[in-house]
Amino acid sequence: SQTIHQWPATLVQPVGSPLSLECTVEGTSNPNLYWYRQAAGRGLQLLFYSVGIGQISSEVPQNLSASRPQDRQFILSSKKLLLSDSGFYLCAWSVGGSSDFGPGTRLTVT
Amino acid sequence: DAKTTQPTSMDCAEGRAANLPCNHSTISGNEYVYWYRQIHSQGPQYIIHGLKNNETNEMASLIITEDRKSSTLILPHATLRDTAVYYCIVSGNSGGYQKVTFGTGTKLQVIP
Repeated sequence: SQTIHQWPATLVQPVGSPLSLECTVEGTSNPNLYWYRQAAGRGLQLLFYSVGIGQISSEVPQNLSASRPQDRQFILSSKKLLLSDSGFYLCAWSVGGSSDFGPGTRLTVT
Repeated sequence: DAKTTQPTSMDCAEGRAANLPCNHSTISGNEYVYWYRQIHSQGPQYIIHGLKNNETNEMASLIITEDRKSSTLILPHATLRDTAVYYCIVSGNSGGYQKVTFGTGTKLQVIP
């Protein structure tokens, strides 16, 4: 069965610092991968999705970037964090008719 | 550009059935209807999904209308632990990939 991992679970970073969140998927090949963000009190917003290694599509303009160096690895990055980057970040995979989310990373930018 | 619409919030008495509606009038033939829920500060939890037939599992039932333009998630005996935001999603292939886009969800409050 498929499993999805995210780390770290929580993160507190100062404004202007870099960011790297990692997501890995096990038990499947060539999944579509997604990064979502949930700001406090709001719904889930799709940030990036990837259909394959090195293929990244951005849904909204922002201070973040994503990369997919391996088939089952998806990384969310920023060179300089903003206060508005605080939120709950979720990675997800989908293959055929199946999909699931990771446990999430709670990012607080101070 | 959400593809589903749901009521913002609903209340349900504990022990009663919770019926959560969802409209997806622009659904295409190869798109599935998925339901997830998110309990505060946790990742979304998969509940159920279907294409055109009604589905049932240990958590819930999914009723999809014949024209597939709407569906209803049924929690047969709601408990306090079912209090969460419930997301209805349509997901299918678009340009060769599957894209999952969330709407705003329904906040279900189960009342003792």
